[in-house]
Amino acid sequence: DVKVTQSSRYLVKRTGEKVFLECVQDMDHENMFWYRQDPGLGLRLIYFSYDVKMKEKGDIPEGYSVSREKKERFSLILESASTNQTSMYLCASTSPPTGDYGYTFGSGTRLTVV
Amino acid sequence: GENVEQHPSTLSVQEGDSAVIKCTYSDSASNYFPWYKQELGKRPQLIIDIRSNVGEKKDQRIAVTLNKTAKHFSLHITETQPEDSAVYFCAATPLSGGYNKLIFGAGTRLAVHP
Repeated sequence: DVKVTQSSRYLVKRTGEKVFLECVQDMDHENMFWYRQDPGLGLRLIYFSYDVKMKEKGDIPEGYSVSREKKERFSLILESASTNQTSMYLCASTSPPTGDYGYTFGSGTRLTVV
Repeated sequence: GENVEQHPSTLSVQEGDSAVIKCTYSDSASNYFPWYKQELGKRPQLIIDIRSNVGEKKDQRIAVTLNKTAKHFSLHITETQPEDSAVYFCAATPLSGGYNKLIFGAGTRLAVHP
C-alpha cells in the first residue's frame, strides 16, 4: 500500500518558534505538495515541488518555506510561527509522468500556535 | 491563476435520495477534474476523476459530468447511504509541464440521514 507519512499528528508550538513539518512518501513520486485546510476555505496550496531541490510558491506562501533535499522527503518550515498559522496541514504526492494524476495525501498535522 | 467555486457548502439528504455537488472553474486551460472524499478525522481520498476529453464518467453509484463550455462540473451520488456522509472536495488543474497543481474548492459537507 502506497504511503505518505507526516511525522506528527498533533503539534502545539509557541508564537515565534521555528516549526518543521515533515512529510515522507515511499512511492518514488516526483511531485509533492503542502496544503493547509481551514473550515470553509477548503485546501489551499502553500508550496509544491516537482523535483529534488526544486520548489514553487503556491497561493499562500507567506510565512512559510520548504525544503526538498531528497526525492522522498518534503519539509514545510514556519520561520516564526504565528497564531494565524494554526491549522491542519496536509502533505500530498503524485506522479504525472507515470499517468497517475491523483494525489495521495498524508494523515495531516494539526498545528496549534499559542 | 485558477479559481474553483463549490456549491453547496452543506447538503443534507435522506438515505436513498440523490445528492449533487457543483463546481465552477475559471481557467479554461484546466483539463483534469478530480473529486475527493474526506471522512471525519481522515485524509482526503480520490473517489473519481474526469479528463476534459470526456463529458461523463460513472463508477457504481457516483458519476461526474463536465461542461467545458460553461466551465463547470458536477458530482452525482445516487442511492445515498449513511457511509456517504463526509466532506467532498472538487479540484481542477491544467495538466502541463509534467506536474499537476490542484486548486480545490471550499468543500461540501454531505450528511445522509437514515
